[in-house]
Formats: sequence, C-alpha cells, structure tokens
Amino acid sequence: AQTVTQSQPEMSVQEAETVTLSCTYDTSENNYYLFWYKQPPSRQMILVIRQEAYKQQNATENRFSVNFQKAAKSFSLKISDSQLGDTAMYFCACNQGAQKLVFGQGTRLTINP
Amino acid sequence: DTGVSQDPRHKITKRGQNVTFRCDPISEHNRLYWYRQTLGQGPEFLTYFQNEAQLEKSRLLSDRFSAERPKGSFSTLEIQRTEQGDSAMYLCASASLVGMNTEAFFGQGTRLTVV
Repeated sequence: AQTVTQSQPEMSVQEAETVTLSCTYDTSENNYYLFWYKQPPSRQMILVIRQEAYKQQNATENRFSVNFQKAAKSFSLKISDSQLGDTAMYFCACNQGAQKLVFGQGTRLTINP
Repeated sequence: DTGVSQDPRHKITKRGQNVTFRCDPISEHNRLYWYRQTLGQGPEFLTYFQNEAQLEKSRLLSDRFSAERPKGSFSTLEIQRTEQGDSAMYLCASASLVGMNTEAFFGQGTRLTVV
C-alpha cells in the first residue's frame, strides 16, 4: 500500500525567512508524480508544485522549490522569502500508477509578521 | 467560473437521515475523485471515476455510501442513515489524465455536520 508521511504537524517562521517542510513516501511504482498542495484556512486546496519521479532535476515555481531524493523516497518543500499569505496547511501527495492521490497528514505552517 | 463546483457548501442533518452531495467537475476532465477530510487531517480517498466508470472504492466507503457519475459529467455522493462519525468535509476533485500526470483540481468542499 502506498503511504505518505509528514512528520511535522506544525511549523512557524517569521516573514521573509526560509522554511522547509518534510515529506517521505513509499510506493511500489517505478514512475509516479509527487505533489505539494496548499490549503489556506477555509479555502480550497490548490496545487503548489509537482515533481515527476523520472526527472532528476528538482522542480521550482517562483519562491517554491523541492528537494527530491528518489532513493530515500523523500520530497521536501522549501519556501523562500516567506510571506503572510503562505500561512496554510500544506499536504504532500503521491499518485499511484496514475490512479488516486494519496495524501500525508499535513503540516500547519504559520508565517508571523 | 470554470473550476470544480460542489453543492451544498454546508449541510447539517440529523442522525439517521440521508444526504446527497453534488460535484460538477471541470468540463473537459475525465477523472473525478471524492475525498473525506476531518479537521486537521489530510484528505482520505473514498472513490474515483474515469468517465462514468467507478474504478476504485476505498474500504472506508461502507455500504451506506454510494457514488455515481451518470454520463461521465457531474457526480453525486449519497450517505444513507448518517452517523455522527460521518461529520467531515467532503472534497471533490477532477483531473484530466495526461500520461501519469494526475494533477487534481479541488472544489471548496461540502461540510457535513451530523447532529
């Protein structure tokens, strides 16, 4: 069975700091996608960044980047120059054989002014 | 608005009543997913459709739960004889399967409270 684990239930940093959210996963598939989703308070979940497992280059989207370590099955999210609007729940997810997304438990990130 | 739409946004029901939720996916998406999310937790997979075919159901989906997607367009999720443990946010997501990329777009959810 596929599992996704986020070991940091909560994190808090000051505005403009850099923060890294951790995620590990387990899958028997050779090819898969990994995702980070953001869920602001009382708002819908939106995609932050995705990584194709067969690509070695880490994905980057503006202030968001990932550190993908395939052998270690690790997929961390780095947020640079954090902003107040980054305050949200962040979920790591993995798709299994182009079927369903499996989510981690989430990390509640608070950016303090 | 061309995003995923869910109706109703909130539902309060008495224990034992039946409820039905609707999800309208992004029109060109052939995949549709239902998830359940409790406070402070990640979404738990319930079921998904490829067009009108229901391809997988989670063991979380008891006999009281049923989902349909007639004609491969909108979907409904029905819960019969609701229990207090059914209280949660029910999320719908849709995706257009391109290779392995199943980037899912989520609706705002239906929050169910069973009293």
